[in-house]
Amino acid sequence: GAGVSQTPSNKVTEKGKYVELRCDPISGHTALYWYRQSLGQGPEFLIYFQGTGAADDSGLPNDRFFAVRPEGSVSTLKIQRTERGDSAVYLCASSFGQGGNIQYFGAGTRLSVL
Amino acid sequence: AQSVTQLDSHVSVSEGTPVLLRCNYSSSYSPSLFWYVQHPNKGLQLLLKYTSAATLVKGINGFEAEFKKSETSFHLTKPSAHMSDAAEYFCVVSLNTGNQFYFGTGTSLTVIP
Repeated sequence: GAGVSQTPSNKVTEKGKYVELRCDPISGHTALYWYRQSLGQGPEFLIYFQGTGAADDSGLPNDRFFAVRPEGSVSTLKIQRTERGDSAVYLCASSFGQGGNIQYFGAGTRLSVL
Repeated sequence: AQSVTQLDSHVSVSEGTPVLLRCNYSSSYSPSLFWYVQHPNKGLQLLLKYTSAATLVKGINGFEAEFKKSETSFHLTKPSAHMSDAAEYFCVVSLNTGNQFYFGTGTSLTVIP
């Protein structure tokens, strides 16, 4: 596809369950980012991949959150033992390179933890 | 440290009148600055980017922003608002040598017919 694709667009789960959120970046983009946007707030950085490796995971709130990008393209954000406070829109972005380059965003996955 | 302050959480203008969305930034290094727009249930879309080539940056849909280093500001303007401009606008700072974007809290623009 031409843009960043995120699936599912909406995810409803129960407290304590495990969820996976998928991001398919723009073809050829080496950098991939995950952000979390809570209601009424700007997006907050979670983790950044350069290729297959997580170059910066300083934004992950705790060890229930984990992300992978095994082949340097598609990435999966994994949340274990979900809590109601995890409810938010999770945004993925990709860019060609890093360091101030334009990031292109997907439409996001809206996660609701009941 | 890097941060962005959007001075107005809500701005309301009449259709056809000028738009001003204010942004101040803090950065220890020479930053890249962006404005993104977010329409309901849509992804963030880039309006414009400041790269130090010129202090006045022109973007899409008639928007422009002026980088003022002395005031650490990067305000977004448009001469004449359209109904389709109603959306959430985010000012963003990024280090030229860094990775992540730092977002402001957003300004919700309402356009009154």
